[in-house]
Amino acid sequence: GNSVTQMEGPVTLSEEAFLTINCTYTATGYPSLFWYVQYPGEGLQLLLKATKADDKGSNKGFEATYRKETTSFHLEKGSVQVSDSAVYFCALPNTGFQKLVFGTGTRLLVSP
Amino acid sequence: DTEVTQTPKHLVMGMTNKKSLKCEQHMGHRAMYWYKQKAKKPPELMFVYSYEKLSINESVPSRFSPECPNSSLLNLHLHALQPEDSALYLCASSRTDMGFNTGELFFGEGSRLTVL
Repeated sequence: GNSVTQMEGPVTLSEEAFLTINCTYTATGYPSLFWYVQYPGEGLQLLLKATKADDKGSNKGFEATYRKETTSFHLEKGSVQVSDSAVYFCALPNTGFQKLVFGTGTRLLVSP
Repeated sequence: DTEVTQTPKHLVMGMTNKKSLKCEQHMGHRAMYWYKQKAKKPPELMFVYSYEKLSINESVPSRFSPECPNSSLLNLHLHALQPEDSALYLCASSRTDMGFNTGELFFGEGSRLTVL
């Protein structure tokens, strides 16, 4: 079935550094791909999504491009802030679209 | 501010207690979900309600009993839980049960449950 693999964390960066969190997927067809973010003490929020190959999702300075050639959906941000410290989950629907399959999550820690 | 409200935020219960978690949304969404999240893990789907009917039960033990009294409310009744059931319980909603395809799930902040 459909699955995602995320890079292990934590990722520790200084403020204004460039961020990349890797996500690769295995899927039947070309399902939509998502990044969710979970800030400390909160539930998950949809950060961005891409619905077809070569689409770029973007929100709050974060971007991710749906690349079918490399089966990847890496999350990037040009200049991180302390407030970006959170856990980031890559996700896609399972084969039957009955649920979201989440990656293991990557914790991002940004220091001033 | 989240538009999915969960109460209580924290709950401590013994293994013989009966308690309930509550979830409310006023976005007009017709699909609602319960997830369980253990520390440092992704959320795991437990139940899905679509138009107030249970559509998915991910083989959850019967000590967890969901209820959807109306389109805005979702409850999770807890009885005879085990210490390993301690976790963050997240409620979510989406416009339809195709939310898994659109990915547009709206989560509450969760209820942190501790079972002694």
